[in-house]
Amino acid sequence: DAKTTQPPSMDCAEGRAANLPCNHSTISGNEYVYWYRQIHSQGPQYIIHGLKNNETNEMASLIITEDRKSSTLILPHATLRDTAVYYCIVRVLGSGGSNYKLTFGKGTLLTVNP
Amino acid sequence: SQTIHQWPATLVQPVGSPLSLECTVEGTSNPNLYWYRQAAGRGLQLLFYSVGIGQISSEVPQNLSASRPQDRQFILSSKKLLLSDSGFYLCAWSGRGSLRNEQFFGPGTRLTVL
Repeated sequence: DAKTTQPPSMDCAEGRAANLPCNHSTISGNEYVYWYRQIHSQGPQYIIHGLKNNETNEMASLIITEDRKSSTLILPHATLRDTAVYYCIVRVLGSGGSNYKLTFGKGTLLTVNP
Repeated sequence: SQTIHQWPATLVQPVGSPLSLECTVEGTSNPNLYWYRQAAGRGLQLLFYSVGIGQISSEVPQNLSASRPQDRQFILSSKKLLLSDSGFYLCAWSGRGSLRNEQFFGPGTRLTVL
């Protein structure tokens, strides 16, 4: 899986948009960008994923650059409950057990302040 | 709906003692199953994954082993615990043929080896 680079920490004011960047300059054509988050002492939670088009769901938006070498996760109106470690992961989308593996880096600790 | 259970939630064990952590999934059939470990201040590390009963793949050499005696049961074991085995152990599952390839994590077991 391609390696990702994320800032170790970020702060955001409650109610404002949180923009979390991720660099994945060695991403392959068949690799997707996934975002998970882990609230303290809980298991990670899936947020969103995409290949090359921008994606939006009820939790967040994912913006992928045209060259696919970087992406940004956007939480449009951050709340205190969004304080968590956010992981950017790139991997293939395919059948077979090994293709389902997730390789977690250290992620970004997002702290939402009141 | 699908649920994933892990027990115990917390565990304190002496060095050299055996370990058995259990994970069960409800509401789905033939899932892929995973064991992760998160040491203090570090990221999640995949330990084992399984695509079916009796099929275990190990990601890193270590003092642990895994077994899958039933379709929805995944067990993490050790014959003799080391201090370095302390950490937060997470079980996860993913469905076959899922378009999102999303992994669903359990609540985790916090293991302290003294």
